[in-house]
Amino acid sequence: RKEVEQDPGPFNVPEGATVAFNCTYSNSASQSFFWYRQDCRKEPKLLMSVYSSGNEDGRFTAQLNRASQYISLLIRDSKLSDSATYLCVVAPSGYALNFGKGTSLLVTP
Amino acid sequence: SAVISQKPSRDICQRGTSLTIQCQVDSQVTMMFWYRQQPGQSLTLIATANQGSEATYESGFVIDKFPISRPNLTFSTLTVSNMSPEDSSIYLCSAEGYPEAFFGQGTRLTVV
Repeated sequence: RKEVEQDPGPFNVPEGATVAFNCTYSNSASQSFFWYRQDCRKEPKLLMSVYSSGNEDGRFTAQLNRASQYISLLIRDSKLSDSATYLCVVAPSGYALNFGKGTSLLVTP
Repeated sequence: SAVISQKPSRDICQRGTSLTIQCQVDSQVTMMFWYRQQPGQSLTLIATANQGSEATYESGFVIDKFPISRPNLTFSTLTVSNMSPEDSSIYLCSAEGYPEAFFGQGTRLTVV
């Protein structure tokens, strides 16, 4: 079983739509959780950290459910520029990061 | 934040040869990491490189195949040795990891 599993995607949505990505992790001792964004042929970049209380950054909302070992990312009012691959990332402890396979999003006009 | 310069950005190599990838960080960092990302796959950690000690390798990766150097707190190299077509991938270096990991631009390696 992979440590971090994500929706397979790809997600094709029209501009303005709301889209949600899900992620589950297997290590219950995981301490830190993130969503990274990776554009085509580019390196991953941090989109947002995920906290137990849930957190919001503009059009992006991240939620964490430790009991279910489940993480989500909600994107409202999708923009063309949101097209990318979204990586769910879990850090069991310390600094090493475990990456999900990523979910591709394509926002169309 | 940290800015990482990684080179080469891409290379095409003959099987049986070796390639050394370099990463230079613009600030001192304690921990650096090397990842591999195969097409359509997630990032897989190869090893953790700490200054002044041997790298720690993940399962499936060995020092003879992927020797790593970490001579100081701003620099690291990864060598892909005795390459085969299966080594064709993107290799990424990373610095720190919490609360944010910063990545080099990646090296796109093709082995022919």
